[in-house]
Amino acid sequence: QKEVEQNSGPLSVPEGAIASLNCTYSDRGSQSFFWYRQYSGKSPELIMFIYSNGDKEDGRFTAQLNKASQYVSLLIRDSQPSDSATYLCAGRMDSSYKLIFGSGTRLLVRP
Amino acid sequence: DTGVSQDPRHKITKRGQNVTFRCDPISEHNRLYWYRQTLGQGPEFLTYFQNEAQLEKSRLLSDRFSAERPKGSFSTLEIQRTEQGDSAMYLCASRGPDGTEAFFGQGTRLTVV
Repeated sequence: QKEVEQNSGPLSVPEGAIASLNCTYSDRGSQSFFWYRQYSGKSPELIMFIYSNGDKEDGRFTAQLNKASQYVSLLIRDSQPSDSATYLCAGRMDSSYKLIFGSGTRLLVRP
Repeated sequence: DTGVSQDPRHKITKRGQNVTFRCDPISEHNRLYWYRQTLGQGPEFLTYFQNEAQLEKSRLLSDRFSAERPKGSFSTLEIQRTEQGDSAMYLCASRGPDGTEAFFGQGTRLTVV
């Protein structure tokens, strides 16, 4: 079992819809979680991070963390075609330094 | 540009050759990471530096790989006797002493032919 799991997709949504991206993790020691966006051939770009249970909002993006269920999600409201990319979920334990990444979910936003 | 800088952006090399990549982190970021990413996969951790000290190395980092950060600023990653399986994107990221987030450079795409 991989430490961070994501559905590879593609997740296809129409423009203006809410895209919901999900991630589960196996290590209960993981404390902080990160969402990165990666366009094809480019490097990952940080969207946001979360370390407390509950929701964290930043513009059109909302990250949700449920440590009891070992579940992290990213909601993208009013999805735009420019949001089409691969979204990487990563976790980090405070006792460690490294980010452990999932394989990413490809999101397609249809005009 | 004050982001993480990597050089070169692309490298094509013949199997068996040695290659070296450079990473310049964001100024005053004392933490530096190297990751490797292959097509369809997320980045895989290779190694971590805090200042000039290499504090963690992945089992993925065979003895053909070596990384340095001699003065706690830029870092180099060397691959000796390259193999076709080394073809990947090599990503560098840095993080500040009080920062939570790690920021990635543009990456170096290595192709071993």
